[in-house]
Amino acid sequence: KNQVEQSPQSLIILEGKNCTLQCNYTVSPFSNLRWYKQDTGRGPVSLTIMTFSENTKSNGRYTATLDADTKQSSLHITASQLSDSASYICVVRVRGSTLGRLYFGRGTQLTVWP
Amino acid sequence: DTAVSQTPKYLVTQMGNDKSIKCEQNLGHDTMYWYKQDSKKFLKIMFSYNNKELIINETVPNRFSPKSPDKAHLNLHINSLELGDSAVYFCASSSQGDSSEKLFFGSGTQLSVL
Repeated sequence: KNQVEQSPQSLIILEGKNCTLQCNYTVSPFSNLRWYKQDTGRGPVSLTIMTFSENTKSNGRYTATLDADTKQSSLHITASQLSDSASYICVVRVRGSTLGRLYFGRGTQLTVWP
Repeated sequence: DTAVSQTPKYLVTQMGNDKSIKCEQNLGHDTMYWYKQDSKKFLKIMFSYNNKELIINETVPNRFSPKSPDKAHLNLHINSLELGDSAVYFCASSSQGDSSEKLFFGSGTQLSVL
């Protein structure tokens, strides 16, 4: 069964600290994995995309990794800021699938305290 | 601003009523979606349209009827609202030519059925 599991469910860190969010998936065949950030009261916004051949990709203070063999991805946030407080959602696309056939994780709710 | 916009932002209504949520995108995309986000923040696809043609119709009650007058608009009409329909509904769009299927989301409509 195609699934996407994220951990932890929620996380609280102090401003300036680093954190890592995890995403494990059983989706197959794999096409790509995308991390979205969802601020409270807003729609998700894409942060980064990982394809099968990519291991690491950075977007500012956000660094995503992908291990396609173990079907795991992580999102590392460096020097956290208050504005990083949001839900981070991992989304996996199946290769050759109909548009919209995406598998969503439930998200990790990150809270950054001053 | 180029974006996906949906109205209203908040919708409070009583059981049994009929309501509509409107969505418009000016990104030039040819595919639009409706997602439902439940209280546990899990995003689940309801419908997708490609060039006004229905592509995905998940196991959604037939009280929900999407309507796409043109490829820039995808409205959602809900008949005989029930308590369980309370959720946040997100409209999204993507470009069919983008194989990575990056989604652009609206800000959501918070539907509360009393």
